[in-house]
Amino acid sequence: GAVVSQHPSWVICKSGTSVKIECRSLDFQATTMFWYRQFPKQSLMLMATSNEGSKATYEQGVEKDKFLINHASLTLSTLTVTSAHPEDSSFYICSARTEAGGHQPQHFGDGTRLSIL
Amino acid sequence: DAKTTQPPSMDCAEGRAANLPCNHSTISGNEYVYWYRQIHSQGPQYIIHGLKNNETNEMASLIITEDRKSSTLILPHATLRDTAVYYCIVSLSGFQKLVFGTGTRLLVSP
Repeated sequence: GAVVSQHPSWVICKSGTSVKIECRSLDFQATTMFWYRQFPKQSLMLMATSNEGSKATYEQGVEKDKFLINHASLTLSTLTVTSAHPEDSSFYICSARTEAGGHQPQHFGDGTRLSIL
Repeated sequence: DAKTTQPPSMDCAEGRAANLPCNHSTISGNEYVYWYRQIHSQGPQYIIHGLKNNETNEMASLIITEDRKSSTLILPHATLRDTAVYYCIVSLSGFQKLVFGTGTRLLVSP
């Protein structure tokens, strides 16, 4: 089945640093990937839609200059949290789907737990 | 995308069938029903999806009412590892963004 890999699985860093999270589709190509964020005891919230070869589409309220998304190939999208602060600490999850068939489901990575000190 | 309504929590005994309901009364004709589950501290796992016919795979069965306004996810023989939050999502396709509600927290007990 479709496999989506995220790296790293968890990261702890100091306030003010930038953190890059990778999302890879291992056995399929994905022109579209999605980035979600989940705070403790809350549901997933979509942050942005990542499109291969073009600019990402951000959801309302998500700062595009703070959460940089790059989708340079059909198997890799990256999310960079720039100048991270403690309030950015969260569980970040990506998803992707295969190109075949209009209703094929999205498959999710295992998430990246980000802790900013 | 249509909104969904799910009970916040359910309990099930190990080995019994778990029936998780979902209401999606505003679903449109070309929207699919997707089910995912999220085990603690992991990314959501795809379970099953359907349009209007009942569907079955190795994980579960999906029963969609004839008017498509509700559906039921059935785990035929629940195990302790099925303890998770289950999300019912309605979407035009996998290309569309998925709007996650609060889901149903299923607790499977021995």
